[in-house]
Amino acid sequence: DIVMTQGALPNPVPSGESASITCQSSKSLLHSNGKTYLNWYLQRPGQSPQFLIYWMSTRASGVSDRFSGSGSGTDFTLKISRVEAEDVGVYYCQQDLEFPLTFGSGTKLEIK
Amino acid sequence: EVQLQQSGPEVGRPGSSVKISCKASGYTFTDYVMNWVKQSPGQGLEWIGWIDPEYGSTDYAEKFKKKATLTADTSSSTAYIQLSSLTSEDTATYFCARDTMGITPFAYWGQGTLVTVSS
Repeated sequence: DIVMTQGALPNPVPSGESASITCQSSKSLLHSNGKTYLNWYLQRPGQSPQFLIYWMSTRASGVSDRFSGSGSGTDFTLKISRVEAEDVGVYYCQQDLEFPLTFGSGTKLEIK
Repeated sequence: EVQLQQSGPEVGRPGSSVKISCKASGYTFTDYVMNWVKQSPGQGLEWIGWIDPEYGSTDYAEKFKKKATLTADTSSSTAYIQLSSLTSEDTATYFCARDTMGITPFAYWGQGTLVTVSS
């Protein structure tokens, strides 16, 4: 199974600052078709997860452009620019290169 | 608008089974795979498996192969997960999540169903 490892944030992050969340995979998520099968989700407190980014860097419909994804085949970053109160929650990376689908353990974002 | 409405909280005795439903609306039920995800209290997300409602085909993560059974009723656009031989390890919130072909397996999520295993 592909293991996803997420880093922690130096919480709380001051409102208006940027936050970068890291994620590593135990295997390259770069497919031969050129796509990198890494997704990001946000789970706000008490809510279901919501889909943010797919193919490592493409925002889902309706997602603010303050969210951006980048990385290589095994190392990924979700950057949140100008953090706001509504960004609070736990962020998960997830790979869908192969089954079983696996998630990182989550990174909590708190805002000051 | 895509909506996934899950059934309410369940309490199951150790050794028993529970069945959770996920009623889909706002799209053609048979056009998309439905996934199920487990979230233990205060923990992260685990993929359980998927079902293709059109064909009834399924796939499971290894650790859930003897625990979960996924089914779908196309007449009511409802997906189900049955959890058997309940233990305290099964106490968790279970989510259904619909995929978007070729983009993500978890584009739309249900609100979650809490299963509590207690004697």
